[in-house]
Amino acid sequence: KQEVTQIPAALSVPEGENLVLNCSFTDSAIYNLQWFRQDPGKGLTSLLLIQSSQREQTSGRLNASLDKSSGRSTLYIAASQPGDSATYLCAVLNAGNNRKLIWGLGTSLAVNP
Amino acid sequence: GAGVSQSPSNKVTEKGKDVELRCDPISGHTALYWYRQRLGQGLEFLIYFQGNSAPDKSGLPSDRFSAERTGESVSTLTIQRTQQEDSAVYLCASSLYGVTYNEQFFGPGTRLTVL
Repeated sequence: KQEVTQIPAALSVPEGENLVLNCSFTDSAIYNLQWFRQDPGKGLTSLLLIQSSQREQTSGRLNASLDKSSGRSTLYIAASQPGDSATYLCAVLNAGNNRKLIWGLGTSLAVNP
Repeated sequence: GAGVSQSPSNKVTEKGKDVELRCDPISGHTALYWYRQRLGQGLEFLIYFQGNSAPDKSGLPSDRFSAERTGESVSTLTIQRTQQEDSAVYLCASSLYGVTYNEQFFGPGTRLTVL
């Protein structure tokens, strides 16, 4: 059974810092992995999607890497800003079951001005 | 175009009442998903619709939960005889199955509170 773990559960940093959020999964047979951002009352926003054959994806100040064999992904945020404050969720789509995303509990990020 | 929309945004109901939640997916998206997020817990898959195929209901927690979808458009999630443990944010997502790697796009959610 696929399980997704995110570390740390919460993170507070001063503005301008570079930071790394971690996601691990127990079953490496995945189709893809997605990073989402969740803002209160605004649902989920997809940030980056990495296919199982890919190693990383980049969007602006965000870079996500994937090491499928070790069951790990990291989300790197460069030059953090107060507007980055949100909960970041990692979810995997298991190979052969292109339906159910399996979710981590998220990392709650606070970027202080 | 417009994103996924859900209504109502908030719903407060009394224990034992039935509630109906609505989801309008992105136009043209063939797949639609319902998830639940209870306080302090991760998102849980509830149900999945894909075109005219039989829905995957494997995540529905009890027979009090049901969902319908009209063609490839609106979906409603119905909870009968609500219980306090049903209190959660209910999220709907849609995707264009088979294209863009099944990326799912989410609505803002419906926050359900059962008193």
